[in-house]
Amino acid sequence: NAGVTQTPKFQVLKTGQSMTLQCAQDMNHNSMYWYRQDPGMGLRLIYYSASEGTTDKGEVPNGYNVSRLNKREFSLRLESAAPSQTSVYFCASRPEMGQVLEKLFFGSGTQLSVL
Amino acid sequence: AQTVTQSQPEMSVQEAETVTLSCTYDTSESDYYLFWYKQPPSRQMILVIRQEAYKQQNATENRFSVNFQKAAKSFSLKISDSQLGDAAMYFCAILGTASKLTFGTGTRLQVTL
Repeated sequence: NAGVTQTPKFQVLKTGQSMTLQCAQDMNHNSMYWYRQDPGMGLRLIYYSASEGTTDKGEVPNGYNVSRLNKREFSLRLESAAPSQTSVYFCASRPEMGQVLEKLFFGSGTQLSVL
Repeated sequence: AQTVTQSQPEMSVQEAETVTLSCTYDTSESDYYLFWYKQPPSRQMILVIRQEAYKQQNATENRFSVNFQKAAKSFSLKISDSQLGDAAMYFCAILGTASKLTFGTGTRLQVTL
């Protein structure tokens, strides 16, 4: 099934631990995004990638790194997790505007808790 | 920089009535897209409606329509004949030419009988 696959769905970390959230899409999209969602804060952009090999900071990049490994995959890494990074994380991708189905495709989200 | 402001954290509407959700934005670009997304408790993000900034005509999708005021940088969503299934979080978003896609903080819509 075409779409955005995001793993894991749930994760509990201890402060200082590291982990990588994986995201892959099979729709040949150039643009991919990582957001975090916190109550009352909406979706805040962490990093995005307009094309393979490029990444840009969003609104809240501190404490995160990303890799656009190829056109399909865009991973988000927490090098040293902090309780402030407890959140729901969403990966998304989209086709170029003007194409059919020009909308964001979202992964199912990762519930991350940092203790 | 681009920003999106949704000044109504919560709204309530009676079933079959009409409600308008507000959204203002700021961007230095002349070419951009605007979206409204719905997020039910399942956390799934569902596209409600989109508007191209170069189009003067307001977008409409069935019971959903927008009032796009480009000079005022305003993009409100009107839901007509509200249904119980419309209850959700609604997010306004802007997509610029550099592929940056920014969301607002959301409005929680309650639909009452």
